[in-house]
Amino acid sequence: QVTLKESGPGILQPSQTLSLTCTFSGFSLSTYGMGVGWIRQPSGKGLEWLANIWWDDDKYYNPSLKNRLTISKDTSNNQAFLKITNVDTADTATYYCARSIVLPTLDYWGQGVMVTVSS
Amino acid sequence: IQMTQSPSLLSASVGDRVTLSCKAGQNINNYLAWYQQKLGEAPKLLIYNANSLQTGIPSRFSGSGSGTDFTLTISSLQPEDVATYFCQQYNSWNTFGAGTKLELK
Repeated sequence: QVTLKESGPGILQPSQTLSLTCTFSGFSLSTYGMGVGWIRQPSGKGLEWLANIWWDDDKYYNPSLKNRLTISKDTSNNQAFLKITNVDTADTATYYCARSIVLPTLDYWGQGVMVTVSS
Repeated sequence: IQMTQSPSLLSASVGDRVTLSCKAGQNINNYLAWYQQKLGEAPKLLIYNANSLQTGIPSRFSGSGSGTDFTLTISSLQPEDVATYFCQQYNSWNTFGAGTKLELK
């Protein structure tokens, strides 16, 4: 059974760095073709893809945010991470992690974690 | 690549055949997926590669199209299909459309 769960700080101040963790089970990021993606959704709005990391450590970033994003993984502990630097109120959203297999479609999603940026 | 979904809001009756549109700003081949998001839930993958049904998804859902024009069809609308539907292109990076909200008439 594949499950993913996001965790994060809940609230942080502008200019800080947002650190998110995705803890998953039912698959391994060391298995050929496996990947984890991060997606966010401001309340009442659409989805924005942020980044993907693959089993071979290939990484892909949304070009509009690339300078602020860092994705990484800990294969031994079944975790993936996303850092966003220099946050501001526009980064307030629900952040999801999701699994990909070979294609960057997202077949299993976490429940999402709400992040609020406020002074 | 910009993805344009239409309509933004669609009202239909139970049993109706429903068609949702997604247009890409350039050729994305068949690299298109459809997701369903119910209120308060994470999105769910319905269709990938434009017309392949994800495992466990009811057969009333189908996808079609290629190049720049794509369609998600629900052959007979059920009450549990009330949701917002998003398309995603993955030919070049990843981009989602703004969504179509489907409600019951």
